[in-house]
Amino acid sequence: DAGVTQSPTHLIKTRGQHVTLRCSPISGHKSVSWYQQVLGQGPQFIFQYYEKEERGRGNFPDRFSARQFPNYSSELNVNALLLGDSALYLCASSLPSGSGGELFFGEGSRLTVL
Amino acid sequence: AQSVTQPDIHITVSEGASLELRCNYSYGATPYLFWYVQSPGQGLQLLLKYFSGDTLVQGIKGFEAEFKRSQSSFNLRKPSVHWSDAAEYFCAVVLASGGSYIPTFGRGTSLIVHP
Repeated sequence: DAGVTQSPTHLIKTRGQHVTLRCSPISGHKSVSWYQQVLGQGPQFIFQYYEKEERGRGNFPDRFSARQFPNYSSELNVNALLLGDSALYLCASSLPSGSGGELFFGEGSRLTVL
Repeated sequence: AQSVTQPDIHITVSEGASLELRCNYSYGATPYLFWYVQSPGQGLQLLLKYFSGDTLVQGIKGFEAEFKRSQSSFNLRKPSVHWSDAAEYFCAVVLASGGSYIPTFGRGTSLIVHP
């Protein structure tokens, strides 16, 4: 079975630009969450979606937005990029409630902002 | 607010030696507890988890962890480390709220294995 897939794997943007990152969850998983991992730190929670509804939001500015589609895939959008947005962006999928929050991660999208 | 502390940024061990990675959390109730491993350039992989019951949990790759409520700790152990265990290890706690499970990760411990 395919795991969580993310695209693109690497990308370079300049300050002020916009970026869209994509994520396809494991088949049967209806929840998708996004994390930002800055070099040398643990993942920081950005968003969680379940059945196309936002279920949680971390402490990130409004420049960050996301959505989940009917097929449970998801997009993370970041507007007006800053140098500090350079990071590995991880997507994770999980089963519905009752699984205790066990996460299955993709390999991430490495964003570099110049 | 809940927090997770991994006090060791780096740990170096010799291959074949035992390993213990520390994790402490701050939260009013007992949260769900997890250990994940991240190899360079990869996403995170679940090693083991604790929800309730037996406080000693077994995971993949020969890892185990012990939950100690009195110390708010969930330390990861392995009796004999292999070179392939070199990676970044993250402890995570999960707050269950209204059917959502929002994780908080520690900053990670980098494991270096000497031959």
